[in-house]
Amino acid sequence: DVVMTQSPLSLPVTLGQPASISCRSSQSLVHSDGNTYLNWFQQRPGQSPRRLIYKVSNRDSGVPDRFSGSGSGTDFTLKISRVEAEDVGVYYCMQGTHWPPLTFGGGTKVEIK
Amino acid sequence: EVQLVESGGGLVQPGGSLRLSCSASGFTFSSYAMHWVRQAPGKGLEYVSAISSNGGSTYYADSVKGRFTISRDNSKNTLYLQMSSLRAEDTAVYYCVKGGVVPAAMLGGLDYWGQGTLVTVSS
Repeated sequence: DVVMTQSPLSLPVTLGQPASISCRSSQSLVHSDGNTYLNWFQQRPGQSPRRLIYKVSNRDSGVPDRFSGSGSGTDFTLKISRVEAEDVGVYYCMQGTHWPPLTFGGGTKVEIK
Repeated sequence: EVQLVESGGGLVQPGGSLRLSCSASGFTFSSYAMHWVRQAPGKGLEYVSAISSNGGSTYYADSVKGRFTISRDNSKNTLYLQMSSLRAEDTAVYYCVKGGVVPAAMLGGLDYWGQGTLVTVSS
């Protein structure tokens, strides 16, 4: 199975400042169809996960443009340009390229300093 | 509006059984693969099972293989997870998650998640 490794585990951020989360996969996530099936999810406290980004850099409907995804191959990044209070929660990356199975990163907890 | 509503969770003794249901609305259920993902208390997300749009293809994580059965009734827009021989380590919130459509039905999607249903396995 593909292992997804996220860093850091915890990310204290000052309101209005940028934040960056890294996700690395144990194998390239480029699929034979040319797509890279790397998603990012946000889980706010007490809520279900919500997809933010799909196929590396595509923002879901309703996701603020301060969230952006980038990367290729085995290295991926989720960036928040200016952290707001509502961004507190745990962020997960997930790969679908090498299904089965889908595999998730361990999560990064974003909190306000 | 897409909605996924899980039900059927609860407290069960080790070795017991439980059937989870997920009622779907707001999209053409029969066209999409579906997944179950679970989250143990205070832990991360764990992929459990998946089923293709017509039910002809299924997947199980090694941790549940032989004990859990995923199924769907497209006429009722409902996804199921039959769980048996339950263990303490199966204690978790179980999420029903919308998958994708062919040709990348199992690889993509996960754009909508239910609110989850808590399964507690304890004597």
